[in-house]
Amino acid sequence: DIVMTQTPLSSPVTLGQPASISCRSSQSLEHSDGNTYLSWLQQRPGQPPRLLIYKISNRFSGVPDRFSGSGAGTDFTLKISRVEAEDVGVYYCMQATQFPLSFGGGTKVEIK
Amino acid sequence: EVQLVESGGGLVQPGGSLRLSCAASGFTFSRYWMSWVRQAPGKGLEWVASIKQDGIMKYYVDSVKGRFTISRDTAKNSLYLQMNSLRADDTAVYYCATSDTGAFDYWGQGTLVTVSS
Repeated sequence: DIVMTQTPLSSPVTLGQPASISCRSSQSLEHSDGNTYLSWLQQRPGQPPRLLIYKISNRFSGVPDRFSGSGAGTDFTLKISRVEAEDVGVYYCMQATQFPLSFGGGTKVEIK
Repeated sequence: EVQLVESGGGLVQPGGSLRLSCAASGFTFSRYWMSWVRQAPGKGLEWVASIKQDGIMKYYVDSVKGRFTISRDTAKNSLYLQMNSLRADDTAVYYCATSDTGAFDYWGQGTLVTVSS
């Protein structure tokens, strides 16, 4: 099974400053079809999760361009270029390359 | 607009059963993988089960194999999760989600399942 590890657990950020979250998988997420099924989700307090990024770096419909994803193989990063108040919440990476699907433990983004 | 509405959650005793439903609208249900994901109180996300468009190929997390069954009804645009032999550690909010991009594109609001005597 693929284990997803996120760092940091918590990220206090000043409004308008950047934030970065790392995600590492226990094995390569490159699928035999050539895609890498690594996605990022945001969960605001009291809300269901929401897809931000799919296949490493593709922003989902309606997602602001201050969110970006990068990486390859086993190491991936989500960056928020300038944190806004509405970005507070928990961020999860997820792999869908191989069953069982798995999530990282989550990173809490909060405002300093 | 894509909408997913879960129902069927509630309080059940250990060893009991529940059937969750997810009513889908705003997209062509038959074209997408569908999944259930759960979140225990104060915890992270855990994938539970997925079903392919054909309704035949199904996958489960080990902890629910043999106890939970995922199914879909294209005529009713609905996804189901039959949960048997429920345990305290099944207590969670259960979300249904669609998959088109290779990720979980859209999520419902969730339904709470509490297993307790």
